[in-house]
Amino acid sequence: GAVVSQHPSWVICKSGTSVKIECRSLDFQATTMFWYRQFPKQSLMLMATSNEGSKATYEQGVEKDKFLINHASLTLSTLTVTSAHPEDSSFYICSARDPTGVGGELFFGEGSRLTVL
Amino acid sequence: AQSVAQPEDQVNVAEGNPLTVKCTYSVSGNPYLFWYVQYPNRGLQFLLKYITGDNLVKGSYGFEAEFNKSQTSFHLKKPSALVSDSALYFCAVRANQAGTALIFGKGTTLSVSS
Repeated sequence: GAVVSQHPSWVICKSGTSVKIECRSLDFQATTMFWYRQFPKQSLMLMATSNEGSKATYEQGVEKDKFLINHASLTLSTLTVTSAHPEDSSFYICSARDPTGVGGELFFGEGSRLTVL
Repeated sequence: AQSVAQPEDQVNVAEGNPLTVKCTYSVSGNPYLFWYVQYPNRGLQFLLKYITGDNLVKGSYGFEAEFNKSQTSFHLKKPSALVSDSALYFCAVRANQAGTALIFGKGTTLSVSS
């Protein structure tokens, strides 16, 4: 299947700083990527839909100024957690759909564990 | 609105026994249904999908799932469980619309004992 790479896998930062997470589609072009957040022992919550060359579409309740999403190319989307606080600590997972595939399954990155001290 | 229900938080089976992880869904129109598996601190791995056609879908690692339209279910099954199957399993649905994200169930932890 298609490969999605996410970096970094783990990041620890101080409260008030910003953290950038990268999501790359390695062997296909993704006009749309999706960012999910997962709390311990819980399901994946869709945060936003990242659209190449345009603004991201955020789900209700997700602060767009807190979670900045940029999709500057067909293979790269970034999520920046701005002025991070301990409550932002979570597992963030990106995903993308191979547009040439049939059925529309999403391929997921390995996730990024963010810990804000 | 789309939704997915996984009624069991945890399923316990002995190695070699058959396993079933339940999933029901709600979506307008024809559903696209998926199963994913997640190991600790890892992303999700795609197992199988139902789009159209045969109601019994076969996927990776010996897993299969049966689409039942009348019961709006898409239960995951495996004839003989392995200890290595122990993981967190997610059912997901997408309406038949381009660009829409997957909506996930809450997940079911499968524990296979030796």
